[in-house]
Amino acid sequence: DIQMTQSPASLSASLEEIVTITCQASQDIGNWLAWYQQKPGKSPQLLIYDATSLADGVPSRFSGSRSGTQYSLKISRLQVEDIGSYYCQQAHSNPYTFGAGTKLELK
Amino acid sequence: QVKLLQSGAALVKPGASVKMSCKASGYTFTDYWVSWVKQSHGKSLEWIGEIYPNSGATNFNEKFKGKATLTVDKSTSTAYMELSRLTSEDSAIYYCTRSELTGDYYFDYWGQGVMVTVSS
Repeated sequence: DIQMTQSPASLSASLEEIVTITCQASQDIGNWLAWYQQKPGKSPQLLIYDATSLADGVPSRFSGSRSGTQYSLKISRLQVEDIGSYYCQQAHSNPYTFGAGTKLELK
Repeated sequence: QVKLLQSGAALVKPGASVKMSCKASGYTFTDYWVSWVKQSHGKSLEWIGEIYPNSGATNFNEKFKGKATLTVDKSTSTAYMELSRLTSEDSAIYYCTRSELTGDYYFDYWGQGVMVTVSS
């Protein structure tokens, strides 16, 4: 199985701050990567697919990037509604595995 | 609008089975795979498997073969997942979600989740 190592596990940031979350794939997955946001008590929501493409309706302050097998999610100016957990997911091969998650809190 | 409406929470005894449903609306049910994802309490997400509603074809995470059975009823646009021989390790929230037939395993819409508690 492809392992997705996500960091940090938790993050505390201030409003308007730039936030970056990373995911390292255990093998080459190309651009087959997604990012999801999950707010407390809610279902996950797709933010980014194909490593860099913004899903419909997602604010432009979210962006994704790739460097080799390392992937990053960036929130350019943190808003209060961005608080929650974030997960990466590889869409390259079965089983489609997720990172352990990053819990984002307000400082 | 696209909706995936799941059945209610379940409390089941160890060794028993549970069957949950996921009713799709707002899109053509047979145009997307339906996947199921497990989220244990406070933990990450695990992909269980998927079913193609048009044919009933399935693909599974090896870890869940023998544990999960996936079926659909095209007439009601409803997907089902049955979990068997339940243990405490199966206590979790289970989500249904969909992905495109093109093989892009990105999950764009999710059900609200079913909380399954296994306890005597």
